Amino acid sequence: GAVVSQHPSWVICKSGTSVKIECRSLDFQATTMFWYRQFPKQSLMLMATSNEGSKATYEQGVEKDKFLINHASLTLSTLTVTSAHPEDSSFYICSGRTGLINEQFFGPGTRLTVL
Amino acid sequence: AQSVAQPEDQVNVAEGNPLTVKCTYSVSGNPYLFWYVQYPNRGLQFLLKYITGDNLVKGSYGFEAEFNKSQTSFHLKKPSALVSDSALYFCAVTDTGNTPLVFGKGTRLSVIA
Repeated sequence: GAVVSQHPSWVICKSGTSVKIECRSLDFQATTMFWYRQFPKQSLMLMATSNEGSKATYEQGVEKDKFLINHASLTLSTLTVTSAHPEDSSFYICSGRTGLINEQFFGPGTRLTVL
Repeated sequence: AQSVAQPEDQVNVAEGNPLTVKCTYSVSGNPYLFWYVQYPNRGLQFLLKYITGDNLVKGSYGFEAEFNKSQTSFHLKKPSALVSDSALYFCAVTDTGNTPLVFGKGTRLSVIA
């Protein structure tokens, strides 16, 4: 199956700093990337959808100036959490979809802890 | 708008017994249905999917699910549970596959030896 990687797998940062999370599709071209957020013992909530070369579409309630998403190539998308605060601590999971088949492939997730 | 309901937060089953994790869905068009499993501090692992065809879908690790259009359900089943099946299970749906997957809240399965 298609493989998606995320880096880093976990990160701890101080409040007020920015953190960048990379999501790569290793063996397919992801025309669309999705970013999800998962709080402890809760479901995955879609944050945004991005198509390669276009601006991301954010879900209602997600601050686009705080969660910057870039999808500059068919194999790489990044999520930057700007001026992170403790309430941003969460598990972030990316997902890629190729235009050929309607299936999403998920990365292993990144656990962000903001002190 | 599409939605998924997993009515049980927790399912407990004895090892060797059959297990069922329930899922119902709501979509405007034809549903694309998925089951994923998540172990602690890990990402999602794909179990199985229904796109079209046979209503009974067989997936990884001996799991299967039955698509029931009239009841809008896609329950996950396994004939004989293993302790290693203990994890968090998510049902997800998209309509025609062009919209992002929407997930249920998850069901924690606990298999007791």
